[in-house]
Amino acid sequence: DGGITQSPKYLFRKEGQNVTLSCEQNLNHDAMYWYRQDPGQGLRLIYYSQIVNDFQKGDIAEGYSVSREKKESFPLTVTSAQKNPTAFYLCASSPGQPSYGYTFGSGTRLTVV
Amino acid sequence: AQSVTQLDSQVPVFEEAPVELRCNYSSSVSVYLFWYVQYPNQGLQLLLKYLSGSTLVKGINGFEAEFNKSQTSFHLRKPSVHISDTAEYFCAVGDSGGYQKVTFGTGTKLQVIP
Repeated sequence: DGGITQSPKYLFRKEGQNVTLSCEQNLNHDAMYWYRQDPGQGLRLIYYSQIVNDFQKGDIAEGYSVSREKKESFPLTVTSAQKNPTAFYLCASSPGQPSYGYTFGSGTRLTVV
Repeated sequence: AQSVTQLDSQVPVFEEAPVELRCNYSSSVSVYLFWYVQYPNQGLQLLLKYLSGSTLVKGINGFEAEFNKSQTSFHLRKPSVHISDTAEYFCAVGDSGGYQKVTFGTGTKLQVIP
């Protein structure tokens, strides 16, 4: 079955450490997105990519980085510059423009220890 | 810039009763709208979407929503809820200008009481 796979499901980060969250899709979707979810705040866009080798900052890109070397993959790195990284991270994809609607992965919960 | 407001953070309802989850939006251009559902510790799943045409949109799991342009609303309804509908529901709005950025509301937790 086609879908989006996020790994790991749970991730613990020490202060000052970079961590990378994986997102892989087999839906042949062109566009991919990373959202951050905090309780009571809804979803906030971190980065998005409409095509391979191109990506754009979202509303809260500071302290994060991404790459899009393959259509299927859109990893997110949470750097030490992100001062409050504890959150639930969601990866999504769409065939093209967001008006198609998103398919979401099951998320990665990142906790700073 | 667009925005979306979900007026209720939590909605308790008894099983088999009807429910309405409210969503209001603001935008200076034409919009399209979504409702997504999220079960605990999972990603979001698309319930339904409005792009154009009929203002009454039917989705999965017996849910429907009505687009009301004059009231800038897109309320979600279900005539009879089940325990399995307990989840968090997110309204989202996108605009048709330029890159179609989507903005999500803060969510409404639906608690179905047996």
